[in-house]
Amino acid sequence: DTAVSQTPKYLVTQMGNDKSIKCEQNLGHDTMYWYKQDSKKFLKIMFSYNNKELIINETVPNRFSPKSPDKAHLNLHINSLELGDSAVYFCASSHDGNYGYTFGSGTRLTVV
Amino acid sequence: GQNIDQPTEMTATEGAIVQINCTYQTSGFNGLFWYQQHAGEAPTFLSYNVLDGLEEKGRFSSFLSRSKGYSYLLLKELQMKDSASYLCAGYNDYKLSFGAGTTVTVRA
Repeated sequence: DTAVSQTPKYLVTQMGNDKSIKCEQNLGHDTMYWYKQDSKKFLKIMFSYNNKELIINETVPNRFSPKSPDKAHLNLHINSLELGDSAVYFCASSHDGNYGYTFGSGTRLTVV
Repeated sequence: GQNIDQPTEMTATEGAIVQINCTYQTSGFNGLFWYQQHAGEAPTFLSYNVLDGLEEKGRFSSFLSRSKGYSYLLLKELQMKDSASYLCAGYNDYKLSFGAGTTVTVRA
């Protein structure tokens, strides 16, 4: 019974393609996040949704578009993929951020 | 915003104690978290401090001094499985902002 699940776990694709990563949480949390972890292991927030509403949108190219159909799901769509997009993308959720986040297992995206 | 600093790497011997320091500059600070991340895996929650002082959880303890913008994570009775990256993170503006992580290597 995975608390935060994201798919796919691995994604290898060519430059210029469009791809999506899906995330679902069964914890009843009302806030979900996307983080990017680069090759230097630095974990940086991209987006946050609270009850389906966007509350955080860091400086991210507009090729990245999050979508939250309901508060248990937060998907990430990436258009026109570039080599620099290669990273591990983590989804996370929280009930109240003061109590920390639960992370998904990550999606390793490789753009070739 | 937040500026979080922690050492890049530390090495220690099995059974020993290691202290990982974290300093931060932040406005609107609302709590300091520590996460553990094994290679190729997701970060997992270790501890949380919002008030000054020491929080103890088994072999792991975390300390916070808000006036000094300083925290540390103390790992006692080190085991080989403790080899991992340890991430310091501050919470404010509705988000966790992470430091670059400290890679701890435990040697036999």
